Amino acid sequence: DQQVKQNSPSLSVQEGRISILNCDYTNSMFDYFLWYKKYPAEGPTFLISISSIKDKNEDGRFTVFLNKSAKHLSLHIVPSQPGDSAVYFCAAISTQGGSEKLVFGKGTKLTVNP
Amino acid sequence: DSGVTQTPKHLITATGQRVTLRCSPRSGDLSVYWYQQSLDQGLQFLIHYYNGEERAKGNILERFSAQQFPDLHSELNLSSLELGDSALYFCASSVDGGETYNEQFFGPGTRLTVL
Repeated sequence: DQQVKQNSPSLSVQEGRISILNCDYTNSMFDYFLWYKKYPAEGPTFLISISSIKDKNEDGRFTVFLNKSAKHLSLHIVPSQPGDSAVYFCAAISTQGGSEKLVFGKGTKLTVNP
Repeated sequence: DSGVTQTPKHLITATGQRVTLRCSPRSGDLSVYWYQQSLDQGLQFLIHYYNGEERAKGNILERFSAQQFPDLHSELNLSSLELGDSALYFCASSVDGGETYNEQFFGPGTRLTVL
């Protein structure tokens, strides 16, 4: 049972345009969401997060939107740059007995074409 | 560079064997998390240690075990290896790991290939 779903395995956009990566979740107990970015041969790196009490969080070119009623979040990258080409993982925090474990989606591979 | 180190980078072994993966957390971090990324899968949480004690278990097989040592480095032991255990194994560390979220910093991973 996959609690965090990224239904698009890949996305290709032109440099300068907007990239929109989507994520759905099923567990209404999740109250904190994150996006991680992963380059080949490296570990995931934290990109941006959002608490469930907010519907938007912005950091430079990156904005995350949360729609709690739809259990959906999205990451917008504007403008997209070739260096943004990577795999993006959506993750949710699951609290269990004092542990903050991350529940990840399968990832979306973003390719930004020059 | 996240400050989290993992050794070895690559490991090739045969079915039925046992291997040990090592993780050194960032300086000052007390928590270590282990994740497995299989082909076409997202990262799956395996286990969390905080200051030497197990905090939470996820989808970790009984053939797998882990521990965190007094110097806070951690080892993930995989035994009776099967072909399906071939994956990337990541560890992550965070300052705490308690009631409020602290960013997890990931190491570069160990790629395990079971032949």
